[in-house]
Amino acid sequence: EVQFVETGGGLVQPGKSLKLTCATSGFTFSTAWMHWVRQFPDKRLEWIARIKDKSNNYATDYVESVKGRFTISRDDSKSSVYLQMNSLKEEDTATYYCTTQNWEGAFDYWGQGVMVTVSS
Amino acid sequence: DVVLTQTPVSLLISLGGQASISCRSSQGLIHSNGNTYLHWYLQKPGQSPQLLIYQVSNRFSGIPDRFSGSGSGTDFTLKISRVEPEDLGVYYCLQRTHNPNTFGAGTKLELK
Repeated sequence: EVQFVETGGGLVQPGKSLKLTCATSGFTFSTAWMHWVRQFPDKRLEWIARIKDKSNNYATDYVESVKGRFTISRDDSKSSVYLQMNSLKEEDTATYYCTTQNWEGAFDYWGQGVMVTVSS
Repeated sequence: DVVLTQTPVSLLISLGGQASISCRSSQGLIHSNGNTYLHWYLQKPGQSPQLLIYQVSNRFSGIPDRFSGSGSGTDFTLKISRVEPEDLGVYYCLQRTHNPNTFGAGTKLELK
């Protein structure tokens, strides 16, 4: 059974940092391209980051709104993907999901999500 | 960025009825490789989004044939026939043809 467990969320002040972890199991993580997607309180969904696999040099990509502040990384030995979030803003308040894409280009499996609240 | 406009914003459907949701893109979604990366998701209350349809019209594993997708270019439709209680929630379209990937704002399906 495919499982994703996101951890690391919480309440943080503007300008501070937080690191999210997504631990996975039940599929071949090392060849998977992993993504983070967030859902704002108004329920809008936004794709924020992607990391490819080793054969694609772990290439990363980001939505413009988080470039330079967020970093996606992975540890294939732990089947985990991470999201380091720096210089957090109130508008980063959202539920963060990790997900993977299938061969058809769709995000097929999702974690349960982790809430991040940025507020003073 | 590509804007996906979903209509209607909400739908009131009777059990056993049919629902139709439109997703219109601000740009064509045919990739240079010939595929169209337009997918549909359902987010049930308190849950993560779940994949229903990938590449316009292909049902994901375990999705009943009551769900069907169609369309091309910039206009896409999700149809749900014989609506059941477990179909309630918010439906989203997602395009992955262009970067950044973008989602529609969602259509809430409720029971009449």
